[in-house]
Amino acid sequence: GAGVSQSPSNKVTEKGKDVELRCDPISGHTALYWYRQSLGQGLEFLIYFQGNSAPDKSGLPSDRFSAERTGGSVSTLTIQRTQQEDSAVYLCASRIAGGRSEQYFGPGTRLTVT
Amino acid sequence: GDSVTQMEGPVTLSEEAFLTINCTYTATGYPSLFWYVQYPGEGLQLLLKATKADDKGSNKGFEATYRKETTSFHLEKGSVQVSDSAVYFCALRDDYKLSFGAGTTVTVRA
Repeated sequence: GAGVSQSPSNKVTEKGKDVELRCDPISGHTALYWYRQSLGQGLEFLIYFQGNSAPDKSGLPSDRFSAERTGGSVSTLTIQRTQQEDSAVYLCASRIAGGRSEQYFGPGTRLTVT
Repeated sequence: GDSVTQMEGPVTLSEEAFLTINCTYTATGYPSLFWYVQYPGEGLQLLLKATKADDKGSNKGFEATYRKETTSFHLEKGSVQVSDSAVYFCALRDDYKLSFGAGTTVTVRA
């Protein structure tokens, strides 16, 4: 079946602009995660969704970052007033909730802020 | 909080050489441990895992043993191939989210 998909695969934006990154999880996966992979910071957890609610937003680096999930499926990560330090690869992962099920990762969106 | 420390590299090896990447962790509970691999131009893939002490995860010739006494989960492969060139991440999961090490870039030369 289809894996986790993310769009766009690459995004170049000017400093100060807003961007939206999209994640389509594997069908039936109720848990969804966003991570950020950047030079010097490694892989950082951003936010966790269970269904449409986000019980853990502790990794969002500032109030410029927000995310939502609708219909228990697609999620959008929004970065407002982008800064150069936001440049990174944003990864989405999903898994079946409960037990010790694995997280399956999407290919990522490479964001470059110029 | 939970954290993972791994050998950062980069590591460069010749084909058929032995590979070890060290990984140690700090956790308050009893985490599951993972190695993920990211091949050039590809997404993050689960390589192997272990869910309790003394478990050994293995896949594609790679092995790692969950050592609670030393809080370690070192990755080993006895004979690497050029196709093993990738970035390797050690990770732990205590409840629902993963905490990753910094990643180790491995390059295998023919």
